[in-house]
Amino acid sequence: DSGVTQTPKHLITATGQRVTLRCSPRSGDLSVYWYQQSLDQGLQFLIQYYNGEERAKGNILERFSAQQFPDLHSELNLSSLELGDSALYFCASSVADSAGYGYTFGSGTRLTVV
Amino acid sequence: KNQVEQSPQSLIILEGKNCTLQCNYTVSPFSNLRWYKQDTGRGPVSLTIMTFSENTKSNGRYTATLDADTKQSSLHITASQLSDSASYICVVNPAGANNLFFGTGTRLTVIP
Repeated sequence: DSGVTQTPKHLITATGQRVTLRCSPRSGDLSVYWYQQSLDQGLQFLIQYYNGEERAKGNILERFSAQQFPDLHSELNLSSLELGDSALYFCASSVADSAGYGYTFGSGTRLTVV
Repeated sequence: KNQVEQSPQSLIILEGKNCTLQCNYTVSPFSNLRWYKQDTGRGPVSLTIMTFSENTKSNGRYTATLDADTKQSSLHITASQLSDSASYICVVNPAGANNLFFGTGTRLTVIP
């Protein structure tokens, strides 16, 4: 157990729907990062939050949004889902604002859009 | 353009054999480089992290090397085990940035 908790582990939904993925960072970590990993692809950075504020943005679609709550857990909202959104979505956390200080991944949420 | 390229894309070896995975990067300025192991359907787990001044770092049967001049790193696995079957991902952290640059990984399969 890495200490980073992601729920749900699996999610199957239809095109056009909206889903919310949840991440609880490791105790003491203030930063949360979201990544998308499509089949046989590398991890693509989506967005980072630090202590409730957006810190960095990657290749995140406009249909996707995220937020980090006062208790530091984060949610990734995916709307108007398309077949191509099927992927593993990983959350990672770190204690500092910078990614250079250690980085722990959760076990991911597998999203299947049918 | 900041990039991380890994080779080979996939590798099959016999149990007990050694292997070496390669990582070339163009990320600049450089802060550190990490190797992760990712089992199928699981999150990546850190194996090693190397800074600019480090040439070699070991973690059990895993030994990583770094040549910051040529911007190359390798991960050597000794006496492979079936449980080593996984994807191995090279990740480069640029200095002063919040993003990390991921390679697409090497898929290693160890067969009995």
